[in-house]
Amino acid sequence: GESVGLHLPTLSVQEGDNSIINCAYSNSASDYFIWYKQESGKGPQFIIDIRSNMDKRQGQRVTVLLNKTVKHLSLQIAATQPGDSAVYFCAEKGNQGGKLIFGQGTELSVKP
Amino acid sequence: EPEVTQTPSHQVTQMGQEVILRCVPISNHLYFYWYRQILGQKVEFLVSFYNNEISEKSEIFDDQFSVERPDGSNFTLKIRSTKLEDSAMYFCASSPGHMNTEAFFGQGTRLTVV
Repeated sequence: GESVGLHLPTLSVQEGDNSIINCAYSNSASDYFIWYKQESGKGPQFIIDIRSNMDKRQGQRVTVLLNKTVKHLSLQIAATQPGDSAVYFCAEKGNQGGKLIFGQGTELSVKP
Repeated sequence: EPEVTQTPSHQVTQMGQEVILRCVPISNHLYFYWYRQILGQKVEFLVSFYNNEISEKSEIFDDQFSVERPDGSNFTLKIRSTKLEDSAMYFCASSPGHMNTEAFFGQGTRLTVV
């Protein structure tokens, strides 16, 4: 069954350090993945995406890695800044529809 | 920059009452979604809508829920008889396509059922 609860994994980093946030996805048929950032009281905000035919994609200060063998995604944030503090969700999309399936989320806290 | 807008930002309602949550998706998008997020939990899919009909819905989206696109710009979620457990943030999203395209989310409506 699905786990429910109020506890989010947390990651605390020092400003300027690199952050790595991990996510395990559920469906081996998923072929599109997105990382979203959610600040308190706001909606999910797109950060970066990756298709299943890739294993790495880079954006500005962010890199997403995809390991389909173990169904694992990671988000790397370089030179983390206080403004990066938020909850980060990975989301997967299957090949038969547009719905996104979200992961549990990780709370990133950046200490100045 | 175009964005998805939702109203109201916060809605308090009594148990058993009907509520309508409103959304204006991005104007050239064709796919529309509602998601909800119970406090402290992950975002959950409710329903997707395309070409004026529901294309997919989750187990959460039971007979108490309905969606409508009453005109060319609005997309609404109606909960017919609210329950305490409907209290959550409700997010509207839209996307230009459904394959390999990101969904853009609104700021959400916080629904509190008392």
